[in-house]
Formats: sequence, structure tokens, C-alpha cells
Amino acid sequence: GDSVTQMEGPVTLSEEAFLTINCTYTATGYPSLFWYVQYPGEGLQLLLKATKADDKGSNKGFEATYRKETTSFHLEKGSVQVSDSAVYFCALQLDNDMRFGAGTRLTVKP
Amino acid sequence: GAVVSQHPSRVICKSGTSVKIECRSLDFQATTMFWYRQFPKQSLMLMATSNEGSKATYEQGVEKDKFLINHASLTLSTLTVTSAHPEDSSFYICSAIRLAGPYEQYFGPGTRLTVT
Repeated sequence: GDSVTQMEGPVTLSEEAFLTINCTYTATGYPSLFWYVQYPGEGLQLLLKATKADDKGSNKGFEATYRKETTSFHLEKGSVQVSDSAVYFCALQLDNDMRFGAGTRLTVKP
Repeated sequence: GAVVSQHPSRVICKSGTSVKIECRSLDFQATTMFWYRQFPKQSLMLMATSNEGSKATYEQGVEKDKFLINHASLTLSTLTVTSAHPEDSSFYICSAIRLAGPYEQYFGPGTRLTVT
């Protein structure tokens, strides 16, 4: 079935470091891909998305490119901040069915 | 636009009682709403899909009589945890899809249920 595999955490970085969180997917069709962020005690917030191959989603300095050839949607940010500390979920959606990765906890230290 | 609210945000109840959680789409009509459960430090687990005016579709392993879902209108779905037990303690998150599309899920802020 359709699934998402993302890099296990936790990830700890210093402020201004470069961030990559890997995400790969398996899908029978052509899914839309998402990154969500969850701050402590809160629900999920959409960070960025891409709906077709080669699309790049970007928001708040984060980027991810929909790579069909490698079935990947890796999340990157050039310079992380302490406020980026959260759990990040990669997800795919096909029709109404959404599948989430396990989540990656990011901690950014000053 | 596309705001989803949940009420309450936190609830503590005694074992054996029932708890109702509301999920509302505030500025759009939702043809479909989803209920997820999230265990500590884990991903979201889809519990059920509800469509307005019809019975909810439950995922395998989710007890229908335990987790009652009612989607009474295009802006409201409720999840009732019946005869709650401590193992039902969890973070419950709903999401909704716009009636008019696109088919993107908008998530509520979640409800923390603690059963004592």
C-alpha cells in the first residue's frame, strides 16, 4: 500500500545550521506530498506542499522538491532557528487517503 | 480561510464516563472529516472517515461502539469516546476537506484527553 518513510530522529542542530530531513514514499498513483509541523501540544500545521513531479514547495525558509525519479520529498532549510524546534511530518495524499511518516523531532540549540 | 477548530482543547474525565469532542470547520463546508489519534512521540493514526449524513468508515482495529462519530452537518463532526478507560488517553486530531475542493486536509489543533 501507499506509505511514507522519513528520517528517524531526534535531530539536534545548532542555530544557523543546515537542515535536511529525508522523506521517501511509495504510492500506486500520483500523490500530492506535504510537510506538516507540529509544535508541542498543538495540532498539525501545513508547512509546504507539492502536487506534481518537479514542483518545489517552500515556506518560511523551508523547501522540498517532489522527485518522482527517486520518490522523495526531502525537507531542507539553509539556516535553522531555535523557533524551528518541533516535530515534522512528511505525508502523501492520494484521493482522500492521507498517509503520514513517523515524524522527526527537531531541536535547535542556541 | 480553511480554519478547523476543536473543542475542548483539553479534557480530563473519570474512567467509565463518556467524552464528546467537537470538530468544526469555521469558514468552509466540509464534505469529509477525519479523526486521528496520536500517541506520545508517534505519528497520527487514522481512526475513521466521516461524511455528512452517512455512517463513518472506521479503520481496521478501531471499535465503532467505543468511538462514536456523528457528522451532523457540513461544518460539524463529533467524536464520542464511550466508557473511557485510561488507555484511551491520547491526543485526538480532526481534519476536514472542503466541499468545494481542493482535496487538501485542514487540521484542527487537537484535543488532549486524559482518563483517570
